[in-house]
Amino acid sequence: QQPVQSPQAVILREGEDAVINCSSSKALYSVHWYRQKHGEAPVFLMILLKGGEQKGHDKISASFNEKKQQSSLYLTASQLSYSGTYFCGTENFGNEKLTFGTGTRLTIIP
Amino acid sequence: DAGVTQSPTHLIKTRGQQVTLRCSPKSGHDTVSWYQQALGQGPQFIFQYYEEEERQRGNFPDRFSGHQFPNYSSELNVNALLLGDSALYLCASLALGQYYGYTFGSGTRLTVV
Repeated sequence: QQPVQSPQAVILREGEDAVINCSSSKALYSVHWYRQKHGEAPVFLMILLKGGEQKGHDKISASFNEKKQQSSLYLTASQLSYSGTYFCGTENFGNEKLTFGTGTRLTIIP
Repeated sequence: DAGVTQSPTHLIKTRGQQVTLRCSPKSGHDTVSWYQQALGQGPQFIFQYYEEEERQRGNFPDRFSGHQFPNYSSELNVNALLLGDSALYLCASLALGQYYGYTFGSGTRLTVV
């Protein structure tokens, strides 16, 4: 089952904040977050494990709500370089394949 | 440190033909997964290889097959190509048990005409 992301697309001015959500209908073992720029490979941002803590580096952080099977990615004081499509990827217990979400296209304008 | 290397970068094939795509994982990684990404969509899991065995498989027909070699490199084979097989094929590697996420290659753009 493919995780659902929201919003599908968002446009921000440089310096604004954004939140991207990822929901699964199945119990999750881990959630990955990746960013893909047009014509390029997805780039790993972070991973959150069941029972783990909120992760983050620089101005990008994420949380994992195990009860709701949801994860959120937080981008603070967005920069032009943050533009791209963000995908969450989920792993379920007993099924270690990484299933990608529907994607969220983020556009940062000056 | 070389990342994931895929070849070729672009490929044009005729419907009904067969194709082989290649992937060399990042140094230190032993697990390779293959994904198909249609334009504007998220990557779809094809299969994963570890210790030269297929560990997991997604909802793809048997026309899609793979192989992993002792040096951890991998191949994706697609037989009887259909127009709908046109997509970006991504290879991703990781060290099994290490929770650092997948490293993706730049992909092979396959066009079936």
